[in-house]
Amino acid sequence: EAEVAQSPRYKITEKSQAVAFWCDPISGHATLYWYRQILGQGPELLVQFQDESVVDDSQLPKDRFSAERLKGVDSTLKIQPAELGDSAMYLCASSQGREGRNEQFFGPGTRLTVL
Amino acid sequence: AQSVAQPEDQVNVAEGNPLTVKCTYSVSGNPYLFWYVQYPNRGLQFLLKYITGDNLVKGSYGFEAEFNKSQTSFHLKKPSALVSDSALYFCAVRDLRGGNKLTFGTGTQLKVEL
Repeated sequence: EAEVAQSPRYKITEKSQAVAFWCDPISGHATLYWYRQILGQGPELLVQFQDESVVDDSQLPKDRFSAERLKGVDSTLKIQPAELGDSAMYLCASSQGREGRNEQFFGPGTRLTVL
Repeated sequence: AQSVAQPEDQVNVAEGNPLTVKCTYSVSGNPYLFWYVQYPNRGLQFLLKYITGDNLVKGSYGFEAEFNKSQTSFHLKKPSALVSDSALYFCAVRDLRGGNKLTFGTGTQLKVEL
């Protein structure tokens, strides 16, 4: 069964350092999402890609966060510099097409701890 | 703006008993509704969705949910709970007039005991 891959699974860093997360969606899925999930809350969308284009980054803190999906396949989310409040689970998801009726498939996530 | 409410932080059920996890939503147009389950330190797994048609939707692992437009609810149900159903459950909504954004509730922790 095809799955969304994410790495690393866990990341511990000190504040002001740079961190990067990688995601490989299910083959053929044109839409890719990055979410942040704070403990005890539901996931919140950071950025959505359709192929290589950003279609929604309204909740992405652009002063420190960046995301790219250069060839429309895998994607990287970067934080520079990391802050204590960035400690959370970062989830990647993908779906077929961009129609709202399609369910999203999630990867296992990257748990970030900022010290 | 679209929103989802899961009024119970935790639901406790005895194994073999029926379970219900509640969800209500608010949208300006017609909703697409989803349920996901999350096990510790894992991503979310899709359970079921309501798009259109029959109000009773059947999904994975014996779960089902009923769409009630008048009550703006989409409660998750299962006739007979298993200990292995213990997990964190999220309801999510997408407003057809609100673009493609999926909004999640805060989650309900389900605990099934022997």
